[in-house]
Amino acid sequence: AQSVTQPDIHITVSEGASLELRCNYSYGATPYLFWYVQSPGQGLQLLLKYFSGDTLVQGIKGFEAEFKRSQSSFNLRKPSVHWSDAAEYFCAVGLPEYGNKLVFGAGTILRVKS
Amino acid sequence: GAVVSQHPSWVICKSGTSVKIECRSLDFQATTMFWYRQFPKQSLMLMATSNEGSKATYEQGVEKDKFLINHASLTLSTLTVTSAHPEDSSFYICSAREQGVNYGYTFGSGTRLTVV
Repeated sequence: AQSVTQPDIHITVSEGASLELRCNYSYGATPYLFWYVQSPGQGLQLLLKYFSGDTLVQGIKGFEAEFKRSQSSFNLRKPSVHWSDAAEYFCAVGLPEYGNKLVFGAGTILRVKS
Repeated sequence: GAVVSQHPSWVICKSGTSVKIECRSLDFQATTMFWYRQFPKQSLMLMATSNEGSKATYEQGVEKDKFLINHASLTLSTLTVTSAHPEDSSFYICSAREQGVNYGYTFGSGTRLTVV
């Protein structure tokens, strides 16, 4: 079955430090991959998406993600974290064969310490 | 960019009443919309896929008679929680899928439903 794993429930980083949030997926075909960010009580904002082509994807707010087919991973990175990046981050897989639904990971809560 | 408007942002209702939540795509046509439920400190759970002009497709375990979905136009989908009970209290989020080769999904800002 299709699934998305975000192994880190919480991550704390210092402001200015680099960040990597992990995401692994289980899906038979070439996946459509997404990273979203959610602030408390809000909807989801798209950070970046991957469909095909260059495996290093640039997104908004200085985020990037790299698709590694051999590892079934799509990790999110940012070279220097800002306090405003504190939020919950969700990785998702789009399933065109299943009505284009999105399957979400459990999310990773990012805390930024000053 | 694409914008999805969801209303109301929060609602409190009495047990046994019905509540309607609207999801509108403001600057694009959405043939497909999705409704999610999110429990505190948890991920999003897909409830149903709403297709314009046809019946919604519900995920396993979701009561279609309790969560009525209507997608009567290319820009509007509604979710009605019928005969609401306290256990229906949750955060509901809609999403609309954009068309095109590199389609994306835009999310509404969510609705906090509290049933008392």
